[in-house]
Amino acid sequence: DGGITQSPKYLFRKEGQNVTLSCEQNLNHDAMYWYRQDPGQGLRLIYYSQIVNDFQKGDIAEGYSVSREKKESFPLTVTSAQKNPTAFYLCASATLQESYEQYFGPGTRLTVT
Amino acid sequence: KQEVTQIPAALSVPEGENLVLNCSFTDSAIYNLQWFRQDPGKGLTSLLLIQSSQREQTSGRLNASLDKSSGRSTLYIAASQPGDSATYLCAVRPGDRGSTLGRLYFGRGTQLTVWP
Repeated sequence: DGGITQSPKYLFRKEGQNVTLSCEQNLNHDAMYWYRQDPGQGLRLIYYSQIVNDFQKGDIAEGYSVSREKKESFPLTVTSAQKNPTAFYLCASATLQESYEQYFGPGTRLTVT
Repeated sequence: KQEVTQIPAALSVPEGENLVLNCSFTDSAIYNLQWFRQDPGKGLTSLLLIQSSQREQTSGRLNASLDKSSGRSTLYIAASQPGDSATYLCAVRPGDRGSTLGRLYFGRGTQLTVWP
């Protein structure tokens, strides 16, 4: 099956700990994205990458870090510097040819207490 | 910066009604526009994608139109069913070919409830 996988589905962490969210795609897409979704806020872009070993900050990158060592993988680290990390995190990917249609993973719900 | 607005924020209708969900955007220089569906606690599912040169796209009971010059898109759902209950999001992709190519700007969505 082709698609985007995010793991785990639910994640619980204590305040002050860094945590890494996994995102893998087997769609052979060039671009990958991380979004954060909060109730009533809509989706906000954290980071995106259009090519291996390169990525750009989105609208709310502070307190987050990413890496893109492989085309298939784009892990997101939520650091202790992120003030309000509890949220639903969505990973997406897109081809950078023709339609640029974007596809999403199932999401990871992170709760930090 | 592109801003995307969706009206209404919530909609509750009886089964069988034909619906129109609205999306407006501030910068008409877009590459394309994508409509998504999101069920509670799930990721987004792509419904329709309209290129900037197109006027509309259809998939089953769904029809999306685009008026780029006025910065508007509508999603028409025919003969609504309880299974259509979800949040519908509209997103636009900038038309410039710089570093922002590939990112989307999202509206906050319309939460639709279709009751039997």
